[in-house]
Amino acid sequence: DTEVTQTPKHLVMGMTNKKSLKCEQHMGHRAMYWYKQKAKKPPELMFVYSYEKLSINESVPSRFSPECPNSSLLNLHLHALQPEDSALYLCASSPPGAADTQYFGPGTRLTVL
Amino acid sequence: GQNIDQPTEMTATEGAIVQINCTYQTSGFNGLFWYQQHAGEAPTFLSYNVLDGLEEKGRFSSFLSRSKGYSYLLLKELQMKDSASYLCAVRGPSGSARQLTFGSGTQLTVLP
Repeated sequence: DTEVTQTPKHLVMGMTNKKSLKCEQHMGHRAMYWYKQKAKKPPELMFVYSYEKLSINESVPSRFSPECPNSSLLNLHLHALQPEDSALYLCASSPPGAADTQYFGPGTRLTVL
Repeated sequence: GQNIDQPTEMTATEGAIVQINCTYQTSGFNGLFWYQQHAGEAPTFLSYNVLDGLEEKGRFSSFLSRSKGYSYLLLKELQMKDSASYLCAVRGPSGSARQLTFGSGTQLTVLP
């Protein structure tokens, strides 16, 4: 298994909804990441988990809440989002080692109404 | 912090060679990555350079000069499917070893 999977592919939610994005990898990678990407912009790092511990939080609003229940799973819980939070949310993982190359999942296209 | 510059757009012809440049100014450097991203899809890893010189991988090559803060991605024998955005990304110093900072991307259009 050499891929990062994300569900759902598309999500439409209202500003009062609570939803979760899910990311999974079975490559034995011990670092996992959440990025946000707006159209025609580069990915922006949100969170990094290393060995299931949150190691980087790039000043992300508390309406985004990450969770890493085990080494293969990464969730992003969403609550009270704003329309400007609409974007492509990308998950990535990387193996331990010098290169730490990050491999991306297909993303979840989120629309907040 | 990190500052990464790459051209916004480039156009080339099928079968030709194109070079996409990336310059960076960083407070620390721990490797440079190139990713390809088709519209609406996830970035896919192309290459990694941490030492000076050229890394070749099929039709794609990447070059790094750390002293000049400069890298390029060379694409040979261009195909229509190479039309995509190409992202240069720099990894910071060891304290933030897992953190990548992306450039804004170069949108390459390959014409028939």
